[in-house]
Amino acid sequence: DAGVIQSPRHEVTEMGQEVTLRCKPISGHDYLFWYRQTMMRGLELLIYFNNNVPIDDSGMPEDRFSAKMPNASFSTLKIQPSEPRDSAVYFCASSPGTGGSPLHFGNGTRLTVT
Amino acid sequence: RKEVEQDPGPFNVPEGATVAFNCTYSNSASQSFFWYRQDCRKEPKLLMSVYSSGNEDGRFTAQLNRASQYISLLIRDSKLSDSATYLCVVDMKTSYDKVIFGPGTSLSVIP
Repeated sequence: DAGVIQSPRHEVTEMGQEVTLRCKPISGHDYLFWYRQTMMRGLELLIYFNNNVPIDDSGMPEDRFSAKMPNASFSTLKIQPSEPRDSAVYFCASSPGTGGSPLHFGNGTRLTVT
Repeated sequence: RKEVEQDPGPFNVPEGATVAFNCTYSNSASQSFFWYRQDCRKEPKLLMSVYSSGNEDGRFTAQLNRASQYISLLIRDSKLSDSATYLCVVDMKTSYDKVIFGPGTSLSVIP
């Protein structure tokens, strides 16, 4: 199994531009999580899906952030317009979700907004 | 109050030392508990699950106290390769899994 695949690995963009982060979960995993990690705030849960349906998006910082999961093998996290304070590492993780199953993380996308 | 809290450290210990990390969680309905390890600029990886009866994996021992909403990780005979950030993780499962990470505790093992 290739594991959770995220792209791009690095993204540098200018303030105001749209940014799209992509994630392919492990096949057969019912849960997909998006996290953001910064030195100040640690790993924050942004949103998670179960069977492609968003369950809890209370961690999404503001309306500039949106996430979709059109099918079981693909999810996107979009920031429009981006701001310098969005600079962080964004991780996608998936889980089979059966009673205490651990999360499997992708390598993350390091986003820098200038 | 944060949902999962940890002492951020850093913990600087000599090789061979025993070190313990503590973690508290706020939601008494939480179901599953884990310790993850994160190396610098890498993704978090599962270290071990934490069971009610306590569990051990080599030099690592995890304990859970549901009454006090407290989790611990003990590392014996520390190695240089144990240097990392250790993340306490709680699955606040209600109808769905909601997995929350603590802020992490930084460990440096010194020669």
